[in-house]
Amino acid sequence: SQQGEEDPQALSIQEGENATMNCSYKTSINNLQWYRQNSGRGLVHLILIRSNEREKHSGRLRVTLDTSKKSSSLLITASRAADTASYFCAWRAGAGSYQLTFGKGTKLSVIP
Amino acid sequence: NAGVTQTPKFRVLKTGQSMTLLCAQDMNHEYMYWYRQDPGMGLRLIHYSVGEGTTAKGEVPDGYNVSRLKKQNFLLGLESAAPSQTSVYFCASSFLAGGKETQYFGPGTRLLVL
Repeated sequence: SQQGEEDPQALSIQEGENATMNCSYKTSINNLQWYRQNSGRGLVHLILIRSNEREKHSGRLRVTLDTSKKSSSLLITASRAADTASYFCAWRAGAGSYQLTFGKGTKLSVIP
Repeated sequence: NAGVTQTPKFRVLKTGQSMTLLCAQDMNHEYMYWYRQDPGMGLRLIHYSVGEGTTAKGEVPDGYNVSRLKKQNFLLGLESAAPSQTSVYFCASSFLAGGKETQYFGPGTRLLVL
């Protein structure tokens, strides 16, 4: 399997705290993306970071990428109850690849 | 602009029955994908298409067939359903180039094979 790992599998925090999720992958990549999935729904794209970028911000989201360690992290600051969802990383391998490979996800619960 | 839609939302099949899942997108995307999602797993790619009339195998293609006769539609067929195909199926579409690599997902089809 080409799937990587996400860590932790589940995370429970209080509203207002920060949440950090980690993703490891196995191949060289063109880009890495993070998606969110609310229970029973399809995935929604959050942010994309390219292989030549090290950090990217979008609102309360901060993504880092370390290609030497084949890992990425997603930080959600000042979490809200509405952030409760599963979060998946997905990566596209090098040139010529049309596919995204998804991690197994982190289930985040934010307690009001 | 409906985005990506999937039909049906839920279906129960008996082992050996066949069915077709329909995915439609109205964003003029070239690329379309079919995934399955099982408990504790991420999404696994079944088949994908990089344009009208083209299809290719993904990570878990066995037991499934696909067709892309029109750019906006991508069909997933199960010729002889098996209990192992009980899953939630997601369709997605995207551009690929020019930084527009976001995949847009449908709401999913929940399939139960008895």
